Amino acid sequence: SAVISQKPSRDICQRGTSLTIQCQVDSQVTMMFWYRQQPGQSLTLIATANQGSEATYESGFVIDKFPISRPNLTFSTLTVSNMSPEDSSIYLCSVEGSLGLAGGHPPYNEQFFGPGTRLTVL
Amino acid sequence: AQSVSQHNHHVILSEAASLELGCNYSYGGTVNLFWYVQYPGQHLQLLLKYFSGDPLVKGIKGFEAEFIKSKFSFNLRKPSVQWSDTAEYFCAVRITGGGNKLTFGTGTQLKVEL
Repeated sequence: SAVISQKPSRDICQRGTSLTIQCQVDSQVTMMFWYRQQPGQSLTLIATANQGSEATYESGFVIDKFPISRPNLTFSTLTVSNMSPEDSSIYLCSVEGSLGLAGGHPPYNEQFFGPGTRLTVL
Repeated sequence: AQSVSQHNHHVILSEAASLELGCNYSYGGTVNLFWYVQYPGQHLQLLLKYFSGDPLVKGIKGFEAEFIKSKFSFNLRKPSVQWSDTAEYFCAVRITGGGNKLTFGTGTQLKVEL
């Protein structure tokens, strides 16, 4: 499995500001994803972070609101822009498809999740 | 679009009771199926998965799940729960060839009482 860290673990932000969440993996992975878990609800995929190209967004999510970067095979960021209280949620990074060899990790074909970032917008 | 239903939102059991959590999905093609668990204060962990082959799959901590294709179901079972199984359980489905997107159910909060 992969070890995934996210920063920050939690934050409280003011309406209208933006927050960038970082996701770091301990090995090179082929795919990285960003999910949202709103209070009392299940996980919803925001987008797939593509290395070297624009992210692929799910219906209802747009790049202007949730810009995503993925500069390499171990790191991605999600920005929540112009926040409103409705953006209060847990944001999770997940990874799939270890390239495996360099880090000694065997390949895998399931998704592993980071610890999440709990965001509260006032 | 595919959807995933978990009919039990909250389940309370006594220790040693048997557990079965329902999961149904709506998609007629080939799918991969997963159960994830989130213990209090911890992140999501993979409990078990089904890709192909034997429809009865065994996971960690004594959990198992059975894929019944005709019923579009993937129910999670454990013969004897422990207090430490208190957690939220999520069923997830991925369409093969569908870009690796996971669609999650709404989750089942399980509380095991001593």
